[in-house]
Amino acid sequence: EIVLTQSPDFQSVTPKEKVTITCRASQSIGSSLHWYQQKPDQSPKLLIKYASQSISGVPSRFSGSGSGTDFTLTINSLEAEDAAAYYCHQSSSLPITFGQGTRLEIK
Amino acid sequence: QLQLQESGSGLVKPSQTLSLTCAVSGGSISSGGYSWSWIRQPPGKGLEWIGYIYHSGSTYYNPSLKSRVTISVDRSKNQFSLKLSSVTAADTAVYYCARGFQAGGFDYWGQGTLVTVSS
Repeated sequence: EIVLTQSPDFQSVTPKEKVTITCRASQSIGSSLHWYQQKPDQSPKLLIKYASQSISGVPSRFSGSGSGTDFTLTINSLEAEDAAAYYCHQSSSLPITFGQGTRLEIK
Repeated sequence: QLQLQESGSGLVKPSQTLSLTCAVSGGSISSGGYSWSWIRQPPGKGLEWIGYIYHSGSTYYNPSLKSRVTISVDRSKNQFSLKLSSVTAADTAVYYCARGFQAGGFDYWGQGTLVTVSS
């Protein structure tokens, strides 16, 4: 099973700040890494697919990068509505696994 | 617009079987190239993938739950179902159904349903 480790677990940030969340895989997964945003009492929402591909309707301030074992989700110019938990997910090999999540608090 | 809607019992007694159904609307569950998954999230915790079924009927389950899980599809009703046997309090969670694309991410999710295991 591929283990995904996100950092940090929690971050408190101010609006307009740039945020970086990392996801490290226990073995190489190519670009089969996807990012989700989950707001309280809502279902997860797909933000980025295949490490860096944008999703229609997702604000352009969200971007992803990386390949192999190290991946990054970047949020440029953070907005108050970005307060949420963020998860990475790998589809390279079964079983499908998720990172433990990163909770973002807006000051 | 594709929509997924979970339904089923919200309260299950320990040792019994949890049963949930995911109704798919706005698209066919028989469309090629997609998988249909169940994912759960214990209160205050992260996401755990349970398993999926393809339109062909082939399934794959998380090894951690494999001995207790069955996922099936009813193409005539455009829905798929989850059965989890011998439940314990550790199975208390919000259960989501979701569509996966081409061995990729999950692009459509249901709103989730809370299942509590308690006597």
